[in-house]
Parts: sequence; structure tokens; C-alpha cells
Amino acid sequence: AQSVTQLGSHVSVSEGALVLLRCNYSSSVPPYLFWYVQYPNQGLQLLLKYTTGATLVKGINGFEAEFKKSETSFHLTKPSAHMSDAAEYFCAVSETDTGRRALTFGSGTRLQVQP
Amino acid sequence: DVKVTQSSRYLVKRTGEKVFLECVQDMDHENMFWYRQDPGLGLRLIYFSYDVKMKEKGDIPEGYSVSREKKERFSLILESASTNQTSMYLCASSLQGAGNSPLHFGNGTRLTVT
Repeated sequence: AQSVTQLGSHVSVSEGALVLLRCNYSSSVPPYLFWYVQYPNQGLQLLLKYTTGATLVKGINGFEAEFKKSETSFHLTKPSAHMSDAAEYFCAVSETDTGRRALTFGSGTRLQVQP
Repeated sequence: DVKVTQSSRYLVKRTGEKVFLECVQDMDHENMFWYRQDPGLGLRLIYFSYDVKMKEKGDIPEGYSVSREKKERFSLILESASTNQTSMYLCASSLQGAGNSPLHFGNGTRLTVT
């Protein structure tokens, strides 16, 4: 089965600063890749996804992520953090080689935004 | 908008009780999933179902079973609750299999087993 590693369980940035959340996956076959966000007391919602094509994908709320096959990475970025970005972020992969129907999630990164 | 509803937001049960967690989706989705969420471990897949009466084990099925008698409803059953099953349980649904359409999540059920 695939594994997903998110470096840093907590990340703290100042409002207006760059946000960088890291995600690496383990697979010899490029999977489909996703970022989900969970606001307090809510379920997860999709931020963005990569399946094929352009390796830089844009999502909601100004977030984007770049698929780098050589680095097996799919890091999430946002140029300027806003207080409303404070949430927990999960990277996830689907196993295109095995056809497993469910996503595998990383351990999550909690983003704090300081005023 | 897709709505995934989990019947309870908070549940407190005693060790050894049989526990039912209910999930209903209103968008005729084929696929439904149960994950548990624990700090530092992220979401781990317990079971999923790709059709009525069809189910597959996920990564941590031990101590759990599921039921899908109707397309819109997917129930998670703890046959004999134990304290190590204290967790947040998240239900999700999707139109197609993983990656081909987004997962829609409920708000979760926080279960405490004492």
C-alpha cells in the first residue's frame, strides 16, 4: 500500500507570510494526489488535486501545489497567509497501480496563522 | 450541494457495548467510506463500500463491521467497544472511486469509550 508523509505536524506562520506544507508519497507509479483541509469542528473538504497534465495545480482560497515526480513530492503553498487559513491540512493519494478505490491520507499538518 | 450526515456528533459508550454509527448521504453516491481520525495518525481507512451490500476492508478493520442495506446509508458497527476505539469517526462518500471524484465528508462523530 502507498504511504504519505507530511513533514511537520504543526506549522506556524505570520499573517501575510508564505505558507509551505510538505507532502511526500511512496510509489513507483505516480498516483493521483490531493490536498484536503479541515476547519475546526468540520469534516474535510477538497482543496485541490493532481491527476495528469500540468504539474502545477491551483485550488481554492489561493492555494496551489506542484507535483514533482523526481522528488515524489506534492507540496502545498500559498503566497500570503490569511487568518482564515488556520486549519488542519491533509495530503492524500490514490493508488492508480492497484486500483484501490479509497484514498490514503497523511498524518496531517496543523497550520497556525499569527496576527 | 452534497450532504453527508452523521447521526451523532458526540457519543459516550461503555466498554463491551455494541455501538452503531450511522451515516447518510443524499447524492446517490456509489462509494461510501469510514475513516477514523487520531492526532498524529491522520485518517485511517476502516471499511468502504462500492455498492449496496458490497464492502471491503480498509487498513484497520479489526473490531469493526459495516452494513450497507440501502445506497444512501452506511453504518459502522463496533461489536464490543473497547477504550482503544475512542476516536473521531469520519464518514465520506464519492460518486466514483478514489481519485476520480472528490470525497464528501460528514462532520464526524467523536466517540468516547469508558
